[in-house]
Amino acid sequence: DTEVTQTPKHLVMGMTNKKSLKCEQHMGHRAMYWYKQKAKKPPELMFVYSYEKLSINESVPSRFSPECPNSSLLNLHLHALQPEDSALYLCASSQESGPVGNEQFFGPGTRLTVL
Amino acid sequence: GENVEQHPSTLSVQEGDSAVIKCTYSDSASNYFPWYKQELGKGPQLIIDIRSNVGEKKDQRIAVTLNKTAKHFSLHITETQPEDSAVYFCAASKNTGNQFYFGTGTSLTVIP
Repeated sequence: DTEVTQTPKHLVMGMTNKKSLKCEQHMGHRAMYWYKQKAKKPPELMFVYSYEKLSINESVPSRFSPECPNSSLLNLHLHALQPEDSALYLCASSQESGPVGNEQFFGPGTRLTVL
Repeated sequence: GENVEQHPSTLSVQEGDSAVIKCTYSDSASNYFPWYKQELGKGPQLIIDIRSNVGEKKDQRIAVTLNKTAKHFSLHITETQPEDSAVYFCAASKNTGNQFYFGTGTSLTVIP
């Protein structure tokens, strides 16, 4: 299994809602990532978990809250978002160690619209 | 920090022709250079990568070259097909790091 899965595929939420994005991989990877991608732009790194510990937080606003319940799962909890947070949210994973440890594999993304 | 520049931003080629996309990087410590293809509505797909201990790598119609001295690397697609139409991103990273520095992307259109 070489796949990163993300749910939901699309999400529309109001500014007062609380929702969560989910990501799962079964490749035995020990690093997992959240990226935000605006149209016609490259992915922007938000968070990195390495061995289930948060290792990088790219100064992301607290209305985005990541969680890594185990080595296969990654969540992104959303609360009080702004319309400018509308984007494609991508999850990725990598082995984290070994000669190909930093090869990142991306999921299909969740298209988020904040009204 | 690292800065990756990518050119051109758009590229149109006739089916069967070759396409070349170029990236430059600034940090000489970068030593891993992946290329991603992103089709509309999908996540980026790793199509080829190169590490700094080699100068060229090929996989069927796709090849990547790396010039460490000049700090640039290029993606070459031969015998292009309409299904090659997508946005391509280059990136630079260190072998031991999680952080990718992406180029700004190239929108490739292959005209049948």
